[in-house]
Amino acid sequence: SAVISQKPSRDICQRGTSLTIQCQVDSQVTMMFWYRQQPGQSLTLIATANQGSEATYESGFVIDKFPISRPNLTFSTLTVSNMSPEDSSIYLCSAKIGAAVSYEQYFGPGTRLTVT
Amino acid sequence: GENVEQHPSTLSVQEGDSAVIKCTYSDSASNYFPWYKQELGKGPQLIIDIRSNVGEKKDQRIAVTLNKTAKHFSLHITETQPEDSAVYFCAARRGSQGNLIFGKGTKLSVKP
Repeated sequence: SAVISQKPSRDICQRGTSLTIQCQVDSQVTMMFWYRQQPGQSLTLIATANQGSEATYESGFVIDKFPISRPNLTFSTLTVSNMSPEDSSIYLCSAKIGAAVSYEQYFGPGTRLTVT
Repeated sequence: GENVEQHPSTLSVQEGDSAVIKCTYSDSASNYFPWYKQELGKGPQLIIDIRSNVGEKKDQRIAVTLNKTAKHFSLHITETQPEDSAVYFCAARRGSQGNLIFGKGTKLSVKP
């Protein structure tokens, strides 16, 4: 398994501002993921972040709104830009752990964002 | 694409009883099926998973069964305890390159 930490754990932000969420994994991983989880809902994949390449975004999510950095094999950031109340959600970092074919996926504790 | 349906959405049991959560998937090429437990205010925790080359897997009080023909898999929790209360998510993945597709979750309440 792996230990995944996120900062901040929660924040309250004003509309129009941006927030950068940090994710740290305690071991080197090839693939990291960012998810959004709206209150009482399931998990929705925002993007996949590989070290050394551009993040791959899912339908409905764009780089200008959710820029992602992946500077090394243990760290990634997600920025939520020009926030609106609709961005209020839990943002979860996840990492692929294990062999290329039979990997498991672990999650961080989440960042609870409220936009006012 | 893959679609995962999960039932029930809420489940209430008495402490000591068993709980069963069922999921169906649509993509017959999916071959990895994890279950996650999410406690209030925490991230999802991987509790058990099964791959398509086995039909059942157990870990103490929890077990997962897979029926590839019917394209469904289930989580079984025996001798439930109050600390089992959480939201449980099933998921399915196709191969090593596919993304996890999650069910909508089941809120399990275990009453002492």
